[in-house]
Amino acid sequence: DAGVIQSPRHEVTEMGQEVTLRCKPISGHDYLFWYRQTMMRGLELLIYFNNNVPIDDSGMPEDRFSAKMPNASFSTLKIQPSEPRDSAVYFCASSPNRDTEAFFGQGTRLTVV
Amino acid sequence: AQKVTQAQTEISVVEKEDVTLDCVYETRDTTYYLFWYKQPPSGELVFLIRRNSFDEQNEISGRYSWNFQKSTSSFNFTITASQVVDSAVYFCALSAPFGNEKLTFGTGTRLTIIP
Repeated sequence: DAGVIQSPRHEVTEMGQEVTLRCKPISGHDYLFWYRQTMMRGLELLIYFNNNVPIDDSGMPEDRFSAKMPNASFSTLKIQPSEPRDSAVYFCASSPNRDTEAFFGQGTRLTVV
Repeated sequence: AQKVTQAQTEISVVEKEDVTLDCVYETRDTTYYLFWYKQPPSGELVFLIRRNSFDEQNEISGRYSWNFQKSTSSFNFTITASQVVDSAVYFCALSAPFGNEKLTFGTGTRLTIIP
């Protein structure tokens, strides 16, 4: 398996623009996670899905952030409108079940100017 | 609430030296998992190990070893005969109780191996 695939790897956008980050989890994994990494806050969970259903979105910072998982092989994290403080590395991860380690993608480095 | 503390922000050692990365965790749950992840300069997060709270046996994998002590709530990671390729940021993480899919990460330790 190719692992968790994220796109794009790097994104630079202007403040106010919509940004969409994409993730393809490992085939057969029932759980999908979105994490954000910043210098100030470290690694923090934004939202996770089980069998395509959002289970916990308490980490989503505000209404500008939304995430979807239309099918088992694809998820998006959208920021609209983007702000400079959203600049971070966003990781997608997946795991086969609740008692197994999560495997991370290579991350998307987002810069909002 | 869960908490993971990695007090060592940065460590530098000369190649071939041994180095231990400390991890202290807090949880009120009696069942939990502990993890170590490696983040090399390329940026991805690489899974290294997972331990459950019932298994206090130390683990060795090549040059890597892990010491889990419930009495001190610690899960330390030792690299023996360090190599330049070990240079990375290392994260300790916790999920509690069993079945909780959310990972709580420490702030990471940046390890630099000097050739």
